[in-house]
Amino acid sequence: DGGITQSPKYLFRKEGQNVTLSCEQNLNHDAMYWYRQDPGQGLRLIYYSQIVNDFQKGDIAEGYSVSREKKESFPLTVTSAQKNPTAFYLCASSISLRDNEQFFGPGTRLTVL
Amino acid sequence: AQSVAQPEDQVNVAEGNPLTVKCTYSVSGNPYLFWYVQYPNRGLQFLLKYITGDNLVKGSYGFEAEFNKSQTSFHLKKPSALVSDSALYFCAVGYQKVTFGTGTKLQVIP
Repeated sequence: DGGITQSPKYLFRKEGQNVTLSCEQNLNHDAMYWYRQDPGQGLRLIYYSQIVNDFQKGDIAEGYSVSREKKESFPLTVTSAQKNPTAFYLCASSISLRDNEQFFGPGTRLTVL
Repeated sequence: AQSVAQPEDQVNVAEGNPLTVKCTYSVSGNPYLFWYVQYPNRGLQFLLKYITGDNLVKGSYGFEAEFNKSQTSFHLKKPSALVSDSALYFCAVGYQKVTFGTGTKLQVIP
């Protein structure tokens, strides 16, 4: 999975709790992305970051937050405001936003009980 | 707004036969087009991309894709399917911000 790690692989949380998903890359890539995958809907972009200390909302950012304090790391927090958080979350990176051949991590499957 | 459509939820093909997975796109300006593959419970892997140049793009694992501007299509092809090609295939379009299709499940039957 190309030098991108996501942890944990499976995550269970109670409704109403915030949860943070980890994403780390050692590819020296500037750009990083978070996607949500639901059956039959493909991938939907949550947030993306072009460079450290900068990030932009994607198509479905409501109920999520991110930070980019280090080039290697782009954690995603799923807040209690996200109405339907159970999904498969994928992190990706690319050399830059303009070179958008993306390398994906193995994913985290979040289940909210 | 940009979009991509994968009209087939599933494609079945016999091992050794040629395969085609269809994709059409809508975008203003020149398209940046991609194909990715996903195996069960894994992340996506890049197969190939079209930015400019030859309309036939060759990628990983023997896959290729044909860009057709007049039909706004970017179909994925392989001359001879393998059982190990069975997976979920995503077409994507975009420059900087990429939009993915809903995916096509390819089943190669032994």
